[in-house]
Amino acid sequence: DTGVSQDPRHKITKRGQNVTFRCDPISEHNRLYWYRQTLGQGPEFLTYFQNEAQLEKSRLLSDRFSAERPKGSFSTLEIQRTEQGDSAMYLCASSLEGRGRTNYGYTFGSGTRLTVV
Amino acid sequence: AQTVTQSQPEMSVQEAETVTLSCTYDTSESDYYLFWYKQPPSRQMILVIRQEAYKQQNATENRFSVNFQKAAKSFSLKISDSQLGDAAMYFCAYRNAGGTSYGKLTFGQGTILTVHP
Repeated sequence: DTGVSQDPRHKITKRGQNVTFRCDPISEHNRLYWYRQTLGQGPEFLTYFQNEAQLEKSRLLSDRFSAERPKGSFSTLEIQRTEQGDSAMYLCASSLEGRGRTNYGYTFGSGTRLTVV
Repeated sequence: AQTVTQSQPEMSVQEAETVTLSCTYDTSESDYYLFWYKQPPSRQMILVIRQEAYKQQNATENRFSVNFQKAAKSFSLKISDSQLGDAAMYFCAYRNAGGTSYGKLTFGQGTILTVHP
C-alpha cells in the first residue's frame, strides 16, 4: 500500500464552477477524514466517514459542499458554485479505528490545492 | 468544544541544539490523545509523536520527546540535536478517545521551525 492518495494535486477553477476531488485511503483503514487548510494555518475539520457512513460534518461544510464514500473505499469531495474563499488545500486522511486497535493517529495524503480565480 | 493553542508562530534553532515548541489545549474530557505533526513545505503531514492522556510517562521517539502536563493542559515538544531536515511547520493536535466527535483531530495554528546551519 502506497499510503493515502489524493487527486488532483492542483486545481485551478473559475468562480462559479463545480470541482470534485478524490481520495484513496489506505486500504485497510475504516475511517476517512477531510480537512481544509489555508495558508499558514492549521487544518480545519470538514467531515469524516466510518466505512460508507458519514458520521459528522462541520459547520464549515456549507450546502455547496458534499462528500461521499461509496462502498467504504475511496471518497469524493465536491464543491459546487465555487467561491474565492474556497481557495485552500484540501487534505484527506485515513485511520484504523475500533476496539483493541492501537491508535497511531492519521495518515495524511499530500492534499489537493484549489485555487478559485 | 476542544481548542488547541500554539502561542509561538515561529521558532528558530541552531543545528545540533535543542528547541522546545509549546502547546496548550482545553478540554473537559479525561481520556484523549495528543499529537505533534510535522508538515514540511509543500509536503504531506507526518506524525512525529503521540501521547495518551492516561499515561503519565512522557512519550519519546528518538530525538523527539514531549512534556505532558495534564493538570496544566500543556503538551510541549522538545527536539534534541536539531537537524536541517527538522525545518517545517509543526502542529499540535488533540482528539477525544471516545464519546462525541471521537476520531476528529483539532489542530493548533502551527509553529514554523527554522533550523540554522
